[in-house]
Amino acid sequence: KAGVTQTPRYLIKTRGQQVTLSCSPISGHRSVSWYQQTPGQGLQFLFEYFSETQRNKGNFPGRFSGRQFSNSRSEMNVSTLELGDSALYLCASSPWGSGGVVDTQYFGPGTRLTVL
Amino acid sequence: GENVEQHPSTLSVQEGDSAVIKCTYSDSASNYFPWYKQELGKRPQLIIDIRSNVGEKKDQRIAVTLNKTAKHFSLHITETQPEDSAVYFCAASRGSARQLTFGSGTQLTVLP
Repeated sequence: KAGVTQTPRYLIKTRGQQVTLSCSPISGHRSVSWYQQTPGQGLQFLFEYFSETQRNKGNFPGRFSGRQFSNSRSEMNVSTLELGDSALYLCASSPWGSGGVVDTQYFGPGTRLTVL
Repeated sequence: GENVEQHPSTLSVQEGDSAVIKCTYSDSASNYFPWYKQELGKRPQLIIDIRSNVGEKKDQRIAVTLNKTAKHFSLHITETQPEDSAVYFCAASRGSARQLTFGSGTQLTVLP
C-alpha cells in the first residue's frame, strides 16, 4: 500500500496570510491526526478526524482548524499566520479499531511551513 | 493532561554496544506506548509499541519494557549499528484516542 502523502512539501508564507495543508491517508485508513513539530516544543497534537468529524483537539488557538472528507482525506488550515507557526506539520493515519483499542499511527513526510 | 518526560536528550554509544532510553508518563489511564525513530529530514517511523496489558515486547534487536506501577517505559537497542543513529521519540495515549503525547526526543549517535 502507498504510504501517507502530504502536499505541499514546502510552503513559504508571510505573516497574516492563511494556509491550507492536505493529507491523504493510507488506503483503508479512516482516522487522520495532525501534529506540529518544532525544535522548541517538539511534537504536539493538533486534532484528530474520523468519519468527517473532529474527535479530539489539542491545545492550539482557534486559528488552527481542519476537516475531513468522505474519502478520509484531510486538510488543515491556519489563518492569520504568525512567525511562531513556522514548523513541520505532520499528519498520521490509522485504521479505526473497535473495543477501545488504539491503532498504530503512520506518519506522512510532513509539510514544512515557513512564515516570514 | 498527559505529560511524558524522556531521558537522556542525547546518547552516544560505540557500535555494538546497547542503548537505553527511558520515559515516564503522568496519566495512569494511558494504555498505549509507541516508539518512533526519526532520521534527519524524514518522517517519524514506528519501531515498536506496547500496550498496557503487556510488560515487555521484543523485535529482533529492539525491546520495550513497561512498568505500569511506576509509570515508566524504556526502549532497549542491542548491538547498535551506525544506521540506528537518529532521534527517538516515546509517546503515550489513553483509551481509543489517537492523540499521542510525545516525549522531547533522544538524539542517538552510534559511533563506528
